[in-house]
Amino acid sequence: SQQGEEDPQALSIQEGENATMNCSYKTSINNLQWYRQNSGRGLVHLILIRSNEREKHSGRLRVTLDTSKKSSSLLITASRAADTASYFCATDGGRNLFFGTGTRLTVIP
Amino acid sequence: EAGVTQSPTHLIKTRGQQATLRCSPISGHTSVYWYQQALGLGLQFLLWYDEGEERNRGNFPPRFSGRQFPNYSSELNVNALELEDSALYLCASSPQGAQGDTQYFGPGTRLTVL
Repeated sequence: SQQGEEDPQALSIQEGENATMNCSYKTSINNLQWYRQNSGRGLVHLILIRSNEREKHSGRLRVTLDTSKKSSSLLITASRAADTASYFCATDGGRNLFFGTGTRLTVIP
Repeated sequence: EAGVTQSPTHLIKTRGQQATLRCSPISGHTSVYWYQQALGLGLQFLLWYDEGEERNRGNFPPRFSGRQFPNYSSELNVNALELEDSALYLCASSPQGAQGDTQYFGPGTRLTVL
């Protein structure tokens, strides 16, 4: 299966700390995306990184991609209580977009 | 700009019944995707429609079907409901038919099968 796998499954940090989530996948990709899902609601697109990019920033988000290791990481700096959500990576497999099972992030005020 | 909308928000059915879920994409988007998210699990790809045609289908039985209308809205039908069909069903849209592109999600329909 191409499906990405996030690590850790759950993460709990204090407000103001940084949060790092990892994603591993199995086959070659054109791009990798990160999405956020607040409890029981739809997903919100955060950032897309293409296979020829190594790092990308968007506000407090920093994404890295290592295609040789087939892995990506999402760093959220200076976390806020509002960042509490599940975070999913999604990899494109040509015709399908494969989502992992997510990392549940809890930011404690 | 209005986002992706889904209806109904919640749907309760009994085993063996049929469920119909609806999705309206962002204006100008021609691709619509359907996903199933069972409790505690990731998103499982169900169907992809673009320009009125089914472009791809996930590993689900034939009782999961759908269609896309000329205005690009879409309908997901689940026949002969089973208990394990209880899940959040998410619809997403994108500007054109490239499934690896950014997808914009609706709030979902929570289907409960009793």
